[in-house]
Amino acid sequence: DTAVSQTPKYLVTQMGNDKSIKCEQNLGHDTMYWYKQDSKKFLKIMFSYNNKELIINETVPNRFSPKSPDKAHLNLHINSLELGDSAVYFCASSLTYDTGELFFGEGSRLTVL
Amino acid sequence: ELKVEQNPLFLSMQEGKNYTIYCNYSTTSDRLYWYRQDPGKSLESLFVLLSNGAVKQEGRLMASLDTKARLSTLHITAAVHDLSATYFCAVDKDDKIIFGKGTRLHILP
Repeated sequence: DTAVSQTPKYLVTQMGNDKSIKCEQNLGHDTMYWYKQDSKKFLKIMFSYNNKELIINETVPNRFSPKSPDKAHLNLHINSLELGDSAVYFCASSLTYDTGELFFGEGSRLTVL
Repeated sequence: ELKVEQNPLFLSMQEGKNYTIYCNYSTTSDRLYWYRQDPGKSLESLFVLLSNGAVKQEGRLMASLDTKARLSTLHITAAVHDLSATYFCAVDKDDKIIFGKGTRLHILP
């Protein structure tokens, strides 16, 4: 069983469209994250949720809206996609918000044309 | 604002050689992590360092933490091709885990 799973793995879409990425973890962790990895492989935190509550929102444009229906799921919806949104988006989880070892999903590669 | 700097960012080395990757960070933290990423893959946790002086070893990799110097090292002993990957350090501060830019390690046979 995959511990942290993301879908879809690949998205190719046009500028201006809206897309969503889903993430689920079966580790029983309390905290989930979204990270963005750009073409230079730099990893930047976007959001974190602890038990469905937003705890970090790292100056991300409000076109990005995370949603956590329960502590095992953290989805990412992106409105009005721009070229600069092209990246790999990684979901991750940790046991709690203050135990930082992260367990990553496989990543979702978003290409905006 | 916490800054995490790794060097070198790119390293090409021969099999059998030893080398060290350095990770400096700008504010106090007692928790540091090392991750490995293979091309096109996810990140895998290698080491969790939770206190000053912590040293952990796994195979040919050894990580250490000096919180007073705000420095962690990842030492590679007798490198083998299978260790080719990108290595990230990450520092935990105020519940944010901030990553360095990664060190792309290429080991030549």
